[in-house]
Amino acid sequence: DIVMTQSPDSLAVSLGERATINCKSSQSVLYSSNNKNYLAWYQQKPGQPPKLLIYWASTRESGVPDRFSGSGSGTDFTLTISSLQAEDVAVYYCQQYYSTPPSITFGQGTRLEIK
Amino acid sequence: QVQLVESGGGVVQPGGSLRLSCAASGFTFSSYGMHWVRQAPGKGLEWVAFIRYDGSNKYYADSVKGRFTISRDNSKNTLYLQMNSLRAEDTAVYYCAKDVTAAGLNYFDYWGQGTLVTVSS
Repeated sequence: DIVMTQSPDSLAVSLGERATINCKSSQSVLYSSNNKNYLAWYQQKPGQPPKLLIYWASTRESGVPDRFSGSGSGTDFTLTISSLQAEDVAVYYCQQYYSTPPSITFGQGTRLEIK
Repeated sequence: QVQLVESGGGVVQPGGSLRLSCAASGFTFSSYGMHWVRQAPGKGLEWVAFIRYDGSNKYYADSVKGRFTISRDNSKNTLYLQMNSLRAEDTAVYYCAKDVTAAGLNYFDYWGQGTLVTVSS
């Protein structure tokens, strides 16, 4: 299975500042035939199910504020929140959907708090 | 609007069985693959199982293979997870989640609120 490793495990950022979360896969999730990275990001607030933020590594889901952006390719990916808002306090997960045989794995999560 | 409502969770003894259901509405259920994802208390997300839109293909995490069975009834817009030989480590909130496509394993655009399964004697 592809192992997804996020860093850091937790992060404290001041309101209005940039937050950066990293995700590394144990093997490439870039499919060469379509040049797409099979990587998604989710936000989970306490007591709620996860919410899709980003797919194909950098495509923002409809309705997600543009302060959220995804970047990276191959094995190294980043979720950036350009200007942290109070409502962004949550745990963030990356997820790969590249595996063959079919399988899905998540990173361990990064807890984001206000400094 | 899309709604996914899980039910069937509860407390069960080790070695016991439980069947979870997920009632779907607000989209054409029979056109999308569906998943179960679980989250142990205070822990991260773990993908459990996937079923193709027509039920013809199913995939499982190694941790549940041979013990859990995913199924669906498109006439009832309902997804199921039959869980047998339950272990303490199966204790988790179980979410059903909608895939963005019909046949492949991709990302999830909608999630239910989850149902808690506790395996304890």
